[in-house]
Amino acid sequence: GQNIDQPTEMTATEGAIVQINCTYQTSGFNGLFWYQQHAGEAPTFLSYNVLDGLEEKGRFSSFLSRSKGYSYLLLKELQMKDSASYLCAVRDGGANNLFFGTGTRLTVIP
Amino acid sequence: ETGVTQTPRHLVMGMTNKKSLKCEQHLGHNAMYWYKQSAKKPLELMFVYNFKEQTENNSVPSRFSPECPNSSHLFLHLHTLQPEDSALYLCASSQDQPRDPYGYTFGSGTRLTVV
Repeated sequence: GQNIDQPTEMTATEGAIVQINCTYQTSGFNGLFWYQQHAGEAPTFLSYNVLDGLEEKGRFSSFLSRSKGYSYLLLKELQMKDSASYLCAVRDGGANNLFFGTGTRLTVIP
Repeated sequence: ETGVTQTPRHLVMGMTNKKSLKCEQHLGHNAMYWYKQSAKKPLELMFVYNFKEQTENNSVPSRFSPECPNSSHLFLHLHTLQPEDSALYLCASSQDQPRDPYGYTFGSGTRLTVV
């Protein structure tokens, strides 16, 4: 089975930096994804990590440590529009099936 | 039209009704998925279709019945649902590749309320 854990809620200030952590336990790790989901909308793809290290994409970065079963999503220069849920998902095994955490609801305050 | 489209966006149904959710993708993907999203719970994988063949049925009750007539369309037929089935039902599509770096493209979901 899969066990994916992330905080339920976080609050951060506009302009600041926030780090959202995700830990996972899987039998056949084959990649980790982060998605952003605004209320009432579709989840949208943010990042993908399959090797250890940091992937940077504009204001968003994602880090992976496979030996620790750990990832984080780093959001810099926070904007009000970044208020959303952030979903961590792990691909387990040879099929392209993704297994999700509960999501972290981020609230950005002025 | 591009992306993944789900209809209807909202659905209220009684426990004795029969209804269907529809999903359509225009991305040329060969895999489609149904997920259930309930408050404060992880997205639950329900069904997976690769090249129109069902490859995964994640212990879903038989009151949910999927149908995939071709690689662009996916349906979820609903009958005699329970109030606990109220949730957001998300459809997604992808390329069926074990190292696909793009993950899924999701639809906006159908908000289902069972009364």
